[in-house]
Amino acid sequence: SYELTQPLSVSVALGQTARITCGGNKIGSKNVHWYQQQPGQAPVLVIYRDSIRPSGIPERFSGSNSGNTATLTISRAQAGDEADYYCQVWDSSTAGVVFGGGTKLTVL
Amino acid sequence: QLQLQESGPGLVKPSETLSLTCTVSGGSISSSSYYWGWIRQPPGKGLEWIGNIYYSGSTYYNSSLKSRVTISVDTSKNQFSLKLSSVTAADTAVYYCARPTYGDYRLDNWGQGTLVTVSS
Repeated sequence: SYELTQPLSVSVALGQTARITCGGNKIGSKNVHWYQQQPGQAPVLVIYRDSIRPSGIPERFSGSNSGNTATLTISRAQAGDEADYYCQVWDSSTAGVVFGGGTKLTVL
Repeated sequence: QLQLQESGPGLVKPSETLSLTCTVSGGSISSSSYYWGWIRQPPGKGLEWIGNIYYSGSTYYNSSLKSRVTISVDTSKNQFSLKLSSVTAADTAVYYCARPTYGDYRLDNWGQGTLVTVSS
């Protein structure tokens, strides 16, 4: 089955740029979606199809995807960006949704 | 504004069947542009996809849960449901319903989630 690998945690200084990676075999050939989950809340879609921001998501959030790594980039990190972030793809070989293990972002 | 709302028992006994319903408001469950899905999250852990259903009734299940899962849709009530049989403590989780988009399977709308505890 297809696996997505994320770092358990990422730290970023207030106002700096955070990058969260999502690794998978030839992930560049798949559509990658990213979710933000605040404590006690449902996940929220922040990037879809690698790099598209849904309406209402700040321009500070961006994404890229190539080769074996997809990346979520959060510019000018704010305290409110502290959350868990999950990447997700559709695995056509198993006809299933696959999530990464999640990354906890800490803003220092 | 599309809204999804989970409902069902918050406590289920081991070996019994977990049953949850997701009510969709602000949009039609019969849209050809979307699937309808269930995702769960054990306390302190990550997200696990359970399965999707299309309005026509076509289903896709996580292979690790397939033998115990049934997802169904009731277009007349604008609802879809989850049944998970033979539950154990490992099935204790927050269960979310969500809307995957047809084609790229992004989950663009989620319910608030409901905690289901498996305990005697």
